[in-house]
Amino acid sequence: DIQMTQSPSFLSASVGDRVTINCKASQNINKYLDWYQQKHGEAPKLLIYNTNNLQTGIPSRFSGSGSGTDYTLTISSLQPEDVATYFCLQHSSRPLTFGSGTKLEIK
Amino acid sequence: QVTLKESGPGILQPSQTLSLTCTFSGFSLSTYGMGVGWIRQPSGKGLEWLANIWWDDDKYYNPSLKNRLTISKDTSNNQAFLKITNVDTADTATYYCARIERDFDYWGQGVMVTVSS
Repeated sequence: DIQMTQSPSFLSASVGDRVTINCKASQNINKYLDWYQQKHGEAPKLLIYNTNNLQTGIPSRFSGSGSGTDYTLTISSLQPEDVATYFCLQHSSRPLTFGSGTKLEIK
Repeated sequence: QVTLKESGPGILQPSQTLSLTCTFSGFSLSTYGMGVGWIRQPSGKGLEWLANIWWDDDKYYNPSLKNRLTISKDTSNNQAFLKITNVDTADTATYYCARIERDFDYWGQGVMVTVSS
C-alpha cells in the first residue's frame, strides 16, 4: 500500500496569509493526487484533482502542485471560510489512500 | 444537480452484517466511465477508502477488510450498496458514498453507524 504522510497536522494562520499543506507519498504516484476540504460536520469536497486541476466552482486562491512523491496544496490568501480539515488522496494504485489530514484554523 | 444520500441501520451488534444503501440522482451508473465509491470515517479520525463499483460492474475493494466487503448496484433505481460482514466496534464510523466521474467529485452527507453490544 502507498502511505501518504501529510503535514502539518495542525495549522494556524491569519486572514490573508499564504498557506501551504504538504503530502508525501511512499512511492511515485505520477500526479494522481487529489485534495479535499472537509468543514466541521460536513462531507468532504473535492478542491483539486490530479495535482493541479481546480474543480469547478472552487475559488482560484486554491492551487496544487507537485510531482513524483511530493505534493502541495496552496491557499494564496486565507479567508475565514477556509477553516476546515484538508485531506490528500492518492489514486495511483489500489488501495486508494488518504493523508491523515491538516486542521486549518484562523489565528 | 447531482445528489447522493446514504442510508443504513444506525446501530447494530458485533458479528452482524452491515447493509448500506446509496441513493443518487443527477447521473446514471450505466453511463460510460461513471462509478460510485464508499469511504468511511471514524469520529474525529481520517478517511478510509472501502470499495468502488463502475458502470461496467467492475468492482474494487480495500484488501485491508479481508473479503468482508461486497459492493453492488441497481442501475434502474439509481442505487449502490455496500455490505460489510462480521462487524465489530472498529467498524463504527460515518459512511459516505461518492460519485466517481472526476475522482470523488460529489459526496453524500454520510450516515453514522455504531457497532455496539
